[in-house]
Amino acid sequence: GESVGLHLPTLSVQEGDNSIINCAYSNSASDYFIWYKQESGKGPQFIIDIRSNMDKRQGQRVTVLLNKTVKHLSLQIAATQPGDSAVYFCAETGRLDGNKLVFGAGTILRVKS
Amino acid sequence: NAGVMQNPRHLVRRRGQEARLRCSPMKGHSHVYWYRQLPEEGLKFMVYLQKENIIDESGMPKERFSAEFPKEGPSILRIQQVVRGDSAAYFCASSGQAYNEQFFGPGTRLTVL
Repeated sequence: GESVGLHLPTLSVQEGDNSIINCAYSNSASDYFIWYKQESGKGPQFIIDIRSNMDKRQGQRVTVLLNKTVKHLSLQIAATQPGDSAVYFCAETGRLDGNKLVFGAGTILRVKS
Repeated sequence: NAGVMQNPRHLVRRRGQEARLRCSPMKGHSHVYWYRQLPEEGLKFMVYLQKENIIDESGMPKERFSAEFPKEGPSILRIQQVVRGDSAAYFCASSGQAYNEQFFGPGTRLTVL
């Protein structure tokens, strides 16, 4: 079946730098995308979402970009902090998927102090 | 406003026993989803329920697994005659409406000896 995938399994950044986590999706019918953060031993934590009628959405220190032409999603974290260290998952769904989220494999973000 | 609650947080079973995992959605949420996560992998959809109804169980194994979300009380994911391959983290999520962000609980980590 179609799936969501991530380009980089591990990303190491220096504290204070900006981080960019990328995600490629293959289901062109997907129209709702979510980024989750998961810390060790915890459940996924909602970060930010975006619907397909938008190409950019900003939150507090985070920005999600959606490029439907190349089916690419990215999460930008400004001024990365040690507390941002976690695994980040993109997830996608569409009305034809009946609400079930399809998750990518995950990217490990390591912040060096 | 309490988040999604799951119990137990850790469950150990011997092969052939039954496992019962409970999920209480966020207050006001009537949509519940169960996902399974194997070590170092993304989450995989299992089943989507609304009160007293199974909406989509396409991700659930045909045998030994069942789920319910009764009119009163938590949603239950039941695994009969557990095998070692059932060892995983099981996450529950809830949403207030279909096709909206899903909020996850802390998960139940099942270990089958």
